[in-house]
Amino acid sequence: GEDVEQSLFLSVREGDSSVINCTYTDSSSTYLYWYKQEPGAGLQLLTYIFSNMDMKQDQRLTVLLNKKDKHLSLRIADTQTGDSAIYFCAETPNYGGSQGNLIFGKGTKLSVKP
Amino acid sequence: NAGVTQTPKFQVLKTGQSMTLQCAQDMNHEYMSWYRQDPGMGLRLIHYSVGAGITDQGEVPNGYNVSRSTTEDFPLRLLSAAPSQTSVYFCASSYSNPRHEQYFGPGTRLTVT
Repeated sequence: GEDVEQSLFLSVREGDSSVINCTYTDSSSTYLYWYKQEPGAGLQLLTYIFSNMDMKQDQRLTVLLNKKDKHLSLRIADTQTGDSAIYFCAETPNYGGSQGNLIFGKGTKLSVKP
Repeated sequence: NAGVTQTPKFQVLKTGQSMTLQCAQDMNHEYMSWYRQDPGMGLRLIHYSVGAGITDQGEVPNGYNVSRSTTEDFPLRLLSAAPSQTSVYFCASSYSNPRHEQYFGPGTRLTVT
């Protein structure tokens, strides 16, 4: 199938770490992405990882990639109320006809409680 | 740079009406795309373009037309609106192909009654 799977909701307390998980479908995807959507706005690229990497860290964000299990995760350290948003995982599959267009998951709504 | 702009922000149509959603970018991006976002469905690709004069279908193209006469503009036309087209529509652009960072517009919320 072509589905990118994510859990739909995650709730954490301010200051805790958040971990958002994603499973993707195409092991040949070159890039994997995390996009963030704040209420009433379009999506914004948060971070991405090349498929030949296992981990990428960028300030409070850590992306882990397990290619064997086709599993991607996004960890947000010291989660703040401003991190409340919907987070989308996306892949760029290489199967015929896809042209590298992004396939998005359904999004995980992160709620941060003060 | 204004980035990616979309008009209108909100629109209500009656079934059978037609309209055009406008999208423009001022970043000289070659790749542009239209997505629709429905609750619990994520984003689905409607049409995309890899440059002026070139368009192609995405995952859910039925009921929509596009054209790309200039690098800057990528309008989406609804030929005969249906309630199933009630959605939030996002236009996005990237430098040369979808693997580059995609910049999204603020969206158009369309309701078809």
